[in-house]
Amino acid sequence: AQTVTQSQPEMSVQEAETVTLSCTYDTSESDYYLFWYKQPPSRQMILVIRQEAYKQQNATENRFSVNFQKAAKSFSLKISDSQLGDAAMYFCAYRRRSQGGSEKLVFGKGTKLTVNP
Amino acid sequence: DAEITQSPRHKITETGRQVTLACHQTWNHNNMFWYRQDLGHGLRLIHYSYGVQDTNKGEVSDGYSVSRSNTEDLPLTLESAASSQTSVYFCASSEFLASSYNEQFFGPGTRLTVL
Repeated sequence: AQTVTQSQPEMSVQEAETVTLSCTYDTSESDYYLFWYKQPPSRQMILVIRQEAYKQQNATENRFSVNFQKAAKSFSLKISDSQLGDAAMYFCAYRRRSQGGSEKLVFGKGTKLTVNP
Repeated sequence: DAEITQSPRHKITETGRQVTLACHQTWNHNNMFWYRQDLGHGLRLIHYSYGVQDTNKGEVSDGYSVSRSNTEDLPLTLESAASSQTSVYFCASSEFLASSYNEQFFGPGTRLTVL
């Protein structure tokens, strides 16, 4: 079974600085997706960034980027120029890639990010 | 706009009662999922469905059931609520796309308290 591990229950960062959230995963599959979700106090789950395992290039979305190390099964999220609105729970998630794309998500336990003004 | 809704948003019930949480999506997605979120556990899959009349057990299905009689709805039933089922419940849906990425969209969540 696939597992996702987030070893940092809590992190903090100063506004405008950079922070990196860690995630490791375990799978025997070679083709899969990895995700970072943001959950603000409103509880809404918001997709931040997605990485396809077959792509060597790291995904980037504005101030959010990932460091995907497939051999090491590592998938970290870097937030640059942190803003107060980035404060939230962040979840790393895995999904096997299959025809139909119906596979369910496997989540890590989450990292609570605090942004200090 | 298409959306996914959950009701109620908050529910307090007593041990032993039957509870049904509603999930409704207007995207006409084939795939629907129920997750529960607990502190220290992230989100864990309870049940999922890939279409009408199809249901499957997830990682933490004991004490829960679902049925899929139409595309839009996947109600989650707690047959006899237990305090261990106090949690936040999320419904999600995604489109069936052959060999292509399809995003899962999440509902706003239902906070259930079992006393």
